[in-house]
Amino acid sequence: EAQVTQNPRYLITVTGKKLTVTCSQNMNHEYMSWYRQDPGLGLRQIYYSMNVEVTDKGDVPEGYKVSRKEKRNFPLILESPSPNQTSLYFCASSSGAANTEAFFGQGTRLTVV
Amino acid sequence: AQSVAQPEDQVNVAEGNPLTVKCTYSVSGNPYLFWYVQYPNRGLQFLLKYITGDNLVKGSYGFEAEFNKSQTSFHLKKPSALVSDSALYFCAVLFSWGKLQFGAGTQVVVTP
Repeated sequence: EAQVTQNPRYLITVTGKKLTVTCSQNMNHEYMSWYRQDPGLGLRQIYYSMNVEVTDKGDVPEGYKVSRKEKRNFPLILESPSPNQTSLYFCASSSGAANTEAFFGQGTRLTVV
Repeated sequence: AQSVAQPEDQVNVAEGNPLTVKCTYSVSGNPYLFWYVQYPNRGLQFLLKYITGDNLVKGSYGFEAEFNKSQTSFHLKKPSALVSDSALYFCAVLFSWGKLQFGAGTQVVVTP
């Protein structure tokens, strides 16, 4: 089954404690991205990757890092989380072609206290 | 700047009545437009897309959308809404290779 898998689904952490949210896809997609969803703001792109070792900032990259060492994996790293990073996070992948849809993970609800 | 707007935070409709969720866009060139749906505690699911061709696009679960170039709109429609259609709907424009720009979302509430 084609899918994007994120872990964990829920996470409560304290300010400043480094964390990683994993994302893996099994569709051999080249394009992967991270979004955060906040009420009234829709989904905003944090970082994206067009292929292995190729990453770039999205619209709201501050406070986040990513890496793309393998095609299937695209982890999101919060080196020093802050309460304003409390949000619902989604990983997505697509072939990158203009006429294809993106596939989304189930989401990770992060709370930073 | 390229953008997409959903002017309604929430749409309320009775089961069996027509459902319309509005979306307008602003892009240079030909737009690639998408609708996604998000059910509670779930990720986004693809509903339909407009790339080129017929202005009326048919998608999953009985949904369709009408592309109107002159009005720069891409409204989502369903002739007869179901309670199970209650969800959060997002319009999105693909304005660079692989990147989706989303609207703020519209909550659809279908009452029995």
